[in-house]
Amino acid sequence: EIVMTQTPLSSPVTLGQPASISCRSSQSLVHSDGNTYLSWLQQRPGQPPRLLIYKISNRFSGVPDRFSGSGAGTDFTLKISRVEAEDVGIYYCMQATQFPLTFGGGTKVEIK
Amino acid sequence: QVQLQESGPGLVKPSETLSLTCTVSGASIASYFWSWIRQPPGGELEWIGYIYYPGSTNYNPSLKSRVTISLDTSNHQFSLKLSSVTAADTAVYYCARKMEGTGWYFDLWGRGTLVTVSS
Repeated sequence: EIVMTQTPLSSPVTLGQPASISCRSSQSLVHSDGNTYLSWLQQRPGQPPRLLIYKISNRFSGVPDRFSGSGAGTDFTLKISRVEAEDVGIYYCMQATQFPLTFGGGTKVEIK
Repeated sequence: QVQLQESGPGLVKPSETLSLTCTVSGASIASYFWSWIRQPPGGELEWIGYIYYPGSTNYNPSLKSRVTISLDTSNHQFSLKLSSVTAADTAVYYCARKMEGTGWYFDLWGRGTLVTVSS
Protein backbone atom coordinates (compact mmCIF):
# COMPACT_ATOMS: atom_id res chain seq x y z
CA GLU A 1 0.00 0.00 0.00
CA ILE A 2 1.03 3.62 -0.50
CA VAL A 3 2.32 5.23 2.68
CA MET A 4 1.61 8.93 3.14
CA THR A 5 3.97 10.91 5.38
CA GLN A 6 3.12 14.39 6.60
CA THR A 7 5.37 17.03 8.10
CA PRO A 8 5.40 18.75 10.46
CA LEU A 9 3.38 16.90 13.09
CA SER A 10 2.42 20.23 14.61
CA SER A 11 2.43 23.77 13.28
CA PRO A 12 1.96 26.63 15.76
CA VAL A 13 1.05 29.72 13.75
CA THR A 14 0.36 33.35 14.56
CA LEU A 15 -3.05 34.58 13.43
CA GLY A 16 -2.78 36.21 10.02
CA GLN A 17 0.46 34.44 9.19
CA PRO A 18 0.88 31.68 6.59
CA ALA A 19 1.09 27.96 7.27
CA SER A 20 2.42 25.19 5.09
CA ILE A 21 1.98 21.42 5.39
CA SER A 22 3.94 18.86 3.43
CA CYS A 23 2.78 15.42 2.34
CA ARG A 24 5.01 12.84 0.72
CA SER A 25 3.88 9.52 -0.78
CA SER A 26 5.95 6.33 -0.86
CA GLN A 27 5.38 6.07 -4.60
CA SER A 28 4.19 8.29 -7.39
CA LEU A 29 0.51 9.22 -7.23
CA VAL A 30 0.22 9.63 -10.99
CA HIS A 31 -2.51 7.21 -12.06
CA SER A 32 -2.42 5.28 -15.32
CA ASP A 33 -5.13 7.66 -16.58
CA GLY A 34 -2.74 10.60 -16.13
CA ASN A 35 -4.52 12.10 -13.12
CA THR A 36 -3.06 12.49 -9.63
CA TYR A 37 -5.59 11.63 -6.97
CA LEU A 38 -4.45 13.56 -3.92
CA SER A 39 -6.79 15.37 -1.58
CA TRP A 40 -6.58 17.36 1.64
CA LEU A 41 -9.05 17.19 4.51
CA GLN A 42 -9.52 19.37 7.57
CA GLN A 43 -10.74 18.02 10.89
CA ARG A 44 -11.77 20.64 13.40
CA PRO A 45 -11.89 19.58 17.06
CA GLY A 46 -14.82 17.27 17.72
CA GLN A 47 -15.92 17.21 14.09
CA PRO A 48 -15.64 14.76 11.20
CA PRO A 49 -13.12 15.41 8.46
CA ARG A 50 -14.14 17.85 5.74
CA LEU A 51 -12.90 17.90 2.14
CA LEU A 52 -10.79 20.99 1.38
CA ILE A 53 -8.82 20.24 -1.77
CA TYR A 54 -9.12 17.47 -4.38
CA LYS A 55 -6.96 16.45 -7.31
CA ILE A 56 -3.96 18.29 -5.83
CA SER A 57 -5.18 21.84 -6.19
CA ASN A 58 -8.95 22.09 -6.69
CA ARG A 59 -10.79 23.78 -3.83
CA PHE A 60 -14.00 22.05 -2.84
CA SER A 61 -17.24 24.01 -2.75
CA GLY A 62 -17.31 26.62 0.00
CA VAL A 63 -13.60 26.38 0.86
CA PRO A 64 -12.00 29.83 1.33
CA ASP A 65 -9.40 30.85 -1.22
CA ARG A 66 -6.75 31.23 1.48
CA PHE A 67 -6.36 27.45 1.14
CA SER A 68 -4.31 26.22 -1.79
CA GLY A 69 -2.77 22.93 -2.83
CA SER A 70 0.17 22.17 -5.06
CA GLY A 71 2.64 19.46 -5.93
CA ALA A 72 3.25 16.57 -8.25
CA GLY A 73 4.47 12.98 -8.26
CA THR A 74 5.28 12.20 -4.64
CA ASP A 75 5.48 15.64 -3.02
CA PHE A 76 2.50 17.80 -2.18
CA THR A 77 1.83 20.92 -0.14
CA LEU A 78 -1.17 22.55 1.47
CA LYS A 79 -0.83 26.25 2.18
CA ILE A 80 -2.96 28.57 4.23
CA SER A 81 -2.13 32.12 3.19
CA ARG A 82 -3.35 33.81 6.37
CA VAL A 83 -4.36 31.58 9.25
CA GLU A 84 -7.65 32.39 10.97
CA ALA A 85 -8.92 31.07 14.29
CA GLU A 86 -11.39 28.75 12.54
CA ASP A 87 -8.50 26.99 10.78
CA VAL A 88 -7.39 25.30 14.00
CA GLY A 89 -7.52 21.55 13.60
CA ILE A 90 -5.78 18.57 12.08
CA TYR A 91 -5.10 18.39 8.37
CA TYR A 92 -4.77 15.13 6.47
CA CYS A 93 -3.64 14.29 2.99
CA MET A 94 -5.21 11.29 1.29
CA GLN A 95 -4.22 9.37 -1.81
CA ALA A 96 -6.76 7.71 -4.05
CA THR A 97 -4.51 6.60 -6.89
CA GLN A 98 -4.34 3.04 -5.63
CA PHE A 99 -6.45 0.88 -3.33
CA PRO A 100 -6.39 0.69 -0.40
CA LEU A 101 -7.00 4.40 0.01
CA THR A 102 -4.55 5.75 2.58
CA PHE A 103 -4.20 8.87 4.68
CA GLY A 104 -1.28 10.80 6.09
CA GLY A 105 -0.77 10.85 9.84
CA GLY A 106 -2.09 14.38 10.18
CA THR A 107 -0.66 17.82 10.96
CA LYS A 108 -2.06 19.80 13.84
CA VAL A 109 -2.45 23.52 13.17
CA GLU A 110 -2.73 25.58 16.33
CA ILE A 111 -2.52 29.22 17.21
CA LYS A 112 0.60 30.49 18.99
CA GLN B 1 -29.70 18.78 2.26
CA VAL B 2 -27.82 15.51 2.10
CA GLN B 3 -26.97 13.94 5.42
CA LEU B 4 -25.34 10.76 6.67
CA GLN B 5 -26.03 9.37 10.14
CA GLU B 6 -24.21 6.46 11.74
CA SER B 7 -25.96 4.29 14.31
CA GLY B 8 -25.21 1.17 16.30
CA PRO B 9 -23.96 -0.12 19.66
CA GLY B 10 -21.29 1.97 21.32
CA LEU B 11 -19.87 -1.01 23.20
CA VAL B 12 -18.93 -4.39 21.77
CA LYS B 13 -17.31 -7.31 23.58
CA PRO B 14 -14.02 -8.77 22.35
CA SER B 15 -14.44 -11.59 19.79
CA GLU B 16 -17.95 -10.42 18.91
CA THR B 17 -19.17 -8.68 15.75
CA LEU B 18 -19.39 -4.92 15.44
CA SER B 19 -22.46 -3.82 13.46
CA LEU B 20 -23.12 -0.27 12.30
CA THR B 21 -25.60 1.34 9.94
CA CYS B 22 -25.38 4.55 7.98
CA THR B 23 -28.67 6.19 7.01
CA VAL B 24 -28.59 8.39 3.92
CA SER B 25 -31.05 11.23 3.54
CA GLY B 26 -31.38 13.65 0.67
CA ALA B 27 -29.53 11.58 -1.91
CA SER B 28 -30.14 8.42 -3.87
CA ILE B 29 -28.20 5.57 -2.30
CA ALA B 30 -28.10 3.86 -5.68
CA SER B 31 -26.24 6.75 -7.33
CA TYR B 32 -23.02 6.96 -5.30
CA PHE B 33 -20.17 4.94 -3.85
CA TRP B 34 -20.33 4.72 -0.05
CA SER B 35 -17.47 4.05 2.33
CA TRP B 36 -16.66 3.33 5.93
CA ILE B 37 -13.61 4.97 7.51
CA ARG B 38 -12.43 4.69 11.09
CA GLN B 39 -10.21 6.67 13.44
CA PRO B 40 -8.87 5.32 16.75
CA PRO B 41 -8.97 7.85 19.61
CA GLY B 42 -6.22 10.35 18.90
CA GLY B 43 -5.16 8.27 15.91
CA GLU B 44 -5.01 8.18 12.15
CA LEU B 45 -7.76 7.68 9.60
CA GLU B 46 -8.12 4.22 8.08
CA TRP B 47 -10.27 3.41 5.06
CA ILE B 48 -12.27 0.22 5.66
CA GLY B 49 -14.04 -0.32 2.35
CA TYR B 50 -16.74 0.76 -0.07
CA ILE B 51 -19.97 -0.43 -1.60
CA TYR B 52 -21.74 0.55 -4.81
CA TYR B 53 -25.23 -0.36 -5.96
CA PRO B 54 -26.33 -3.07 -6.38
CA GLY B 55 -23.62 -4.53 -4.19
CA SER B 56 -20.08 -4.24 -5.55
CA THR B 57 -17.55 -3.97 -2.73
CA ASN B 58 -13.87 -3.35 -2.16
CA TYR B 59 -12.22 -3.80 1.22
CA ASN B 60 -8.94 -2.79 2.80
CA PRO B 61 -6.76 -5.93 2.69
CA SER B 62 -5.81 -5.32 6.33
CA LEU B 63 -9.44 -5.94 7.35
CA LYS B 64 -10.80 -7.93 4.42
CA SER B 65 -11.11 -11.25 6.24
CA ARG B 66 -13.35 -9.68 8.91
CA VAL B 67 -15.38 -7.03 7.03
CA THR B 68 -18.71 -7.08 5.27
CA ILE B 69 -20.38 -3.97 3.85
CA SER B 70 -23.93 -4.27 2.57
CA LEU B 71 -26.62 -2.07 1.05
CA ASP B 72 -30.31 -1.75 1.98
CA THR B 73 -31.80 0.48 -0.69
CA SER B 74 -35.37 0.21 0.60
CA ASN B 75 -34.31 1.81 3.88
CA HIS B 76 -31.69 4.14 2.36
CA GLN B 77 -28.96 2.53 4.45
CA PHE B 78 -25.66 0.77 4.14
CA SER B 79 -24.08 -1.27 6.87
CA LEU B 80 -20.75 -2.41 8.26
CA LYS B 81 -20.04 -5.68 10.01
CA LEU B 82 -16.62 -6.33 11.53
CA SER B 83 -16.16 -9.72 13.10
CA SER B 84 -13.84 -11.01 15.84
CA VAL B 85 -13.18 -7.56 17.23
CA THR B 86 -10.38 -6.71 19.65
CA ALA B 87 -9.43 -3.57 21.56
CA ALA B 88 -7.55 -2.45 18.46
CA ASP B 89 -10.90 -1.97 16.72
CA THR B 90 -11.93 0.72 19.21
CA ALA B 91 -12.44 3.81 17.07
CA VAL B 92 -14.79 6.45 15.79
CA TYR B 93 -16.44 4.97 12.72
CA TYR B 94 -17.47 7.33 9.93
CA CYS B 95 -19.58 6.70 6.88
CA ALA B 96 -18.76 8.84 3.88
CA ARG B 97 -19.80 9.47 0.29
CA LYS B 98 -17.52 9.49 -2.74
CA MET B 99 -17.83 12.69 -4.72
CA GLU B 100 -19.34 12.35 -8.20
CA GLY B 101 -16.92 12.09 -11.06
CA THR B 102 -13.46 10.68 -11.49
CA GLY B 103 -11.39 10.07 -8.41
CA TRP B 104 -12.02 9.04 -4.86
CA TYR B 105 -12.75 12.16 -2.82
CA PHE B 106 -15.02 12.07 0.20
CA ASP B 107 -17.27 15.11 -0.09
CA LEU B 108 -19.75 14.16 2.63
CA TRP B 109 -19.16 12.57 6.03
CA GLY B 110 -21.36 11.44 8.86
CA ARG B 111 -20.63 12.81 12.32
CA GLY B 112 -19.12 9.50 13.36
CA THR B 113 -19.92 7.06 16.13
CA LEU B 114 -17.53 5.84 18.79
CA VAL B 115 -17.35 2.09 19.21
CA THR B 116 -15.46 0.76 22.20
CA VAL B 117 -14.39 -2.86 22.34
CA SER B 118 -14.28 -3.98 25.95
CA SER B 119 -15.58 -6.74 28.16
